[in-house]
Amino acid sequence: AQSVTQLGSHVSVSEGALVLLRCNYSSSVPPYLFWYVQYPNQGLQLLLKYTSAATLVKGINGFEAEFKKSETSFHLTKPSAHMSDAAEYFCAVSLQTGANNLFFGTGTRLTVIP
Amino acid sequence: GAGVSQSPSNKVTEKGKDVELRCDPISGHTALYWYRQRLGQGLEFLIYFQGNSAPDKSGLPSDRFSAERTGESVSTLTIQRTQQEDSAVYLCASSRRAGHEQFFGPGTRLTVL
Repeated sequence: AQSVTQLGSHVSVSEGALVLLRCNYSSSVPPYLFWYVQYPNQGLQLLLKYTSAATLVKGINGFEAEFKKSETSFHLTKPSAHMSDAAEYFCAVSLQTGANNLFFGTGTRLTVIP
Repeated sequence: GAGVSQSPSNKVTEKGKDVELRCDPISGHTALYWYRQRLGQGLEFLIYFQGNSAPDKSGLPSDRFSAERTGESVSTLTIQRTQQEDSAVYLCASSRRAGHEQFFGPGTRLTVL
């Protein structure tokens, strides 16, 4: 079975500070891993994805995530937070084969303090 | 259109009524997914269509929920005899085929009074 745990339903950072959003996964087979962002009143948008190539994945808007198999983690980072980064972030996992429906974490709401 | 569209954007209904939610996937996308997002929770997978194959209904929470898709086009999600616990945002996503990036629509916010 696949599942995702996001530690911290709310994270606040100051503008310019490091953003770290945590995600740990559980999967019985090698997974695909994703981070999606949901801005207020908008649909989900893919930030980045891991599909068994490079373990350090770079996404849009300066975000990146590192797949660490030994820690079963896929934490999302950004060196310097911007006000426009305020949104809800979802980590998701899917199988590398089959239907590839996504299993989502419960989300982390990021607040950026000016 | 360029993206996945869903209608209506908002639906308020009374308990016990039936509702139909519509999803127009991106043209050419063979895979289509429905998810539900309850307030303060992550997305729950509901159902998946891939081409003309039998759909994966493993995520449907009860037999009051059903979905149809004609070929590789529009899909409708039907909820019969709605209950208050059905209140949520229902999201549709499509992808070129299974395993490819899923593109999400803006969702339909369903409120059951």
